[in-house]
This record gives sequence, structure tokens and C-alpha cells, in this order.
Amino acid sequence: EAGVTQFPSHSVIEKGQTVTLRCDPISGHDNLYWYRRVMGKEIKFLLHFVKESKQDESGMPNNRFLAERTGGTYSTLKVQPAELEDSGVYFCASSQLGVGGTEAFFGQGTRLTVV
Amino acid sequence: QKEVEQDPGPLSVPEGAIVSLNCTYSNSAFQYFMWYRQYSRKGPELLMYTYSSGNKEDGRFTAQVDKSSKYISLFIRDSQPSDSATYLCAAGTGNQFYFGTGTSLTVIP
Repeated sequence: EAGVTQFPSHSVIEKGQTVTLRCDPISGHDNLYWYRRVMGKEIKFLLHFVKESKQDESGMPNNRFLAERTGGTYSTLKVQPAELEDSGVYFCASSQLGVGGTEAFFGQGTRLTVV
Repeated sequence: QKEVEQDPGPLSVPEGAIVSLNCTYSNSAFQYFMWYRQYSRKGPELLMYTYSSGNKEDGRFTAQVDKSSKYISLFIRDSQPSDSATYLCAAGTGNQFYFGTGTSLTVIP
């Protein structure tokens, strides 16, 4: 069974540019989460989808971040325009509906560097 | 105050030692507790999860939760060099989790 897959694995962009991160969850997992780890800090929650609906987006830093999950399958996280402080590792995780997110499986992460 | 506090280490032990990793949390409403292992340049891998208080054992790994003291622990018995990684604790209410900063563990052959 394929795990959670994230693309790209690494992205380097200039301040002011736009970047789109993609997450393919485990097939059949309705819960999809985005997390971010800024260097030296803990992993922090960004938002949670249940199928195509945003269940909780309280962790999104500001309106430069836009997450979508059209059709309830893969998800994208767009940062526009990117700022230096957006650098970090962005993780996606998925879990089956009804498990309460306890058995969440993570992708390998996308390392974003804004220069 | 952070929701979950974890000593970053680093922690270095000889092969075969018992390892104790610990975290504290601040929110008494947390019911779900997890331990993740993360190798360099990889995503976190779920090791153990527990609901509410108590112990859970899986092979060489034992997770403990003490809700009265808001303390969560992971014990690794007979540690192996392959256990060398960063261990992350996490706690939450079910759909949102808070992570510790991770403890870096090295098991020396």
C-alpha cells in the first residue's frame, strides 16, 4: 500500500514568488492534515480536511496560505506571495475517518526555502 | 507556555540500554497521546498511541500516560543502533495535535 506522498520534496523560491505543495494521502483516508515545522521549532498544525471540507483551519498563519482538496482526494497548499518566514518543512498526514486522527500517517515532507 | 514540552537532548546511550523519553503537556483536555520516530529527511513515523491514561506495550516499546501529572513517556528496551532517530511526542483532543520539539537519540554500538 502506498503511503502519503508529497511533491516536491524540496523547493527553493524567491521572496514574493508563489509555490504550490501537493499531498496525495493514503487511498481511502478521508482525514487530511497539513503541518509545518519551522527550523528549531516544533511541528505545528495548519489545517484539517475531512474529505473535501475544511474541518479546522485555525493553524493557518495568514491569508497568503490557501489549501484546497478538490474531490476529497489529493490536496494542495499554495503560498502566495512567499515570505522568508515561510521557510520550513511542510508535512501532510492522513488518517481514516472515525479514528479521530490518532493513527495519522505522515508524508516525507516538502522542504521549502524562501530566499 | 507551549502545549507540549520535550527535552531536545541530544541523548546518547550504549546499545542494549533502556531509554526513557519524556514529555509534559499543559492542557488537561488532551485525551490522545502519540509517539513518532523521525529519521533524517523523512516524515514522522507513528510508533505508539494511547487514549487517556495507562500503559501500552509493543515489542521493545512501552508508552505511558499519567494524566494526573500531565506526563507522557516512551521506554525503549534493549535499544539498538537502528533506534537512533528523533522521537516526537504529541498530544491532543482528537483532530488537532500539538507536538514536542523532539528528542534526538543516538544508540552507540
